[in-house]
Amino acid sequence: SQQGEEDPQALSIQEGENATMNCSYKTSINNLQWYRQNSGRGLVHLILIRSNEREKHSGRLRVTLDTSKKSSSLLITASRAADTASYFCATDSGGNDMRFGAGTRLTVKP
Amino acid sequence: EAQVTQNPRYLITVTGKKLTVTCSQNMNHEYMSWYRQDPGLGLRQIYYSMNVEVTDKGDVPEGYKVSRKEKRNFPLILESPSPNQTSLYFCASSFYSTYNEQFFGPGTRLTVL
Repeated sequence: SQQGEEDPQALSIQEGENATMNCSYKTSINNLQWYRQNSGRGLVHLILIRSNEREKHSGRLRVTLDTSKKSSSLLITASRAADTASYFCATDSGGNDMRFGAGTRLTVKP
Repeated sequence: EAQVTQNPRYLITVTGKKLTVTCSQNMNHEYMSWYRQDPGLGLRQIYYSMNVEVTDKGDVPEGYKVSRKEKRNFPLILESPSPNQTSLYFCASSFYSTYNEQFFGPGTRLTVL
């Protein structure tokens, strides 16, 4: 069964705007990861945040984690057309299995 | 180049004809995993392996088999494929476990007629 659920399912913005995607999960986690997938291709790891961390940055990416609300958000600042992709959150609840959400489809218009 | 490779990339087969999708990684990773991706469902884990000769079921293992005889290889076997196994399959590996980032292969698009 899916653990993470991304919101919104689809997001369309103009180049230069910020994009925010949310992920909610059901059970306690060890870590939460965000991945990106260009159409039909393999997933690429973006960022990993541990359960004892609240915020992480990587370039134009900012991830927050609120374990009390069982939610995470991914912010992409100053978006570019090349950021057009699907974004997935994945959770590890300590059982060595990974659970992915259904993803957010981001379209950045030039 | 550090990578996860899968073969074949595309496969069309018929119901009941046994097939194997190979997966290999050159990063000396201990953890390997198979996922299937279906529209609207995201990725679902089929099987994973913590190390050689250690495999475990994910969320959707029915109809699949795996083996881990060597550290670098983790083939996915469909003994008797059915149309509901038509999907996009991904192999992934990580250094130790789900505690680390996973590296994904390019995917295998399987169609079962």
